[in-house]
Amino acid sequence: SQQGEEDPQALSIQEGENATMNCSYKTSINNLQWYRQNSGRGLVHLILIRSNEREKHSGRLRVTLDTSKKSSSLLITASRAADTASYFCATDRGGYQKVTFGTGTKLQVIP
Amino acid sequence: GAGVSQTPSNKVTEKGKYVELRCDPISGHTALYWYRQSLGQGPEFLIYFQGTGAADDSGLPNDRFFAVRPEGSVSTLKIQRTERGDSAVYLCASSLIQGASYNEQFFGPGTRLTVL
Repeated sequence: SQQGEEDPQALSIQEGENATMNCSYKTSINNLQWYRQNSGRGLVHLILIRSNEREKHSGRLRVTLDTSKKSSSLLITASRAADTASYFCATDRGGYQKVTFGTGTKLQVIP
Repeated sequence: GAGVSQTPSNKVTEKGKYVELRCDPISGHTALYWYRQSLGQGPEFLIYFQGTGAADDSGLPNDRFFAVRPEGSVSTLKIQRTERGDSAVYLCASSLIQGASYNEQFFGPGTRLTVL
C-alpha cells in the first residue's frame, strides 16, 4: 500500500521556473526522503529530512516537513530540462528503514 | 564502484510460467530490499533481507512469490505460476546498515516483467 500521496500528479513548467511538489502521508515517521526517477527506472535518492527537522537544503532543492500536518514539500529552484522526471516522497519509521513510497509527481520542464 | 545491478533488464513470459529475477547488491551492503512498481505508481515494498535471512516479507503479495539470499549477497526473486497482474518493474535496493542510523538505499535499474 502507498503511504504518501504527492500533489500535483503532474506538473509542467518552463525552464528557469521553480517547481513545487507536495507530499502527504498517513502515519508517524522517522525520516522522509525524496527520490527522482527517470523513464520509469533508476530511483535516485535526492534528500532526506528527519522528523525533528523542519527544513533542509541541498543545492537547488529545498525540502520542508510539517509533522503536525503530516506533509512535506519539495521545491526545485531554477529548473532545468534535465530535471524532467517523476519525483516520489518516501517515509520510514526507523529501525531497518522499510521505506514506503508515495504515488509520485511527474514533472516536465520545457526548454 | 559498481552500483546495484539487476538481470534481466526485461523479461517477457507467458501466464503460468515460472520466473527468476536476480539482484547483485553493492559489495559489502548487508541489507537488501525488493520492491515492485506498477505503471504510474510508486514502488511497493515486497521483502527485506538482513544478511541471509528475510527480516520482513510482509509485502509479498501471496505464496507464489518467494525470495532467497543464500550467501548474504546476491538475491533471487522467484515468481511461480505467473499471472498478468504480476507485470511490473521489480526493483532491488541495497544499503549498508550501521546501528540504528539511517542508511541510504541504492536502487538498481529494475527488471521489467511482462506476463502475456
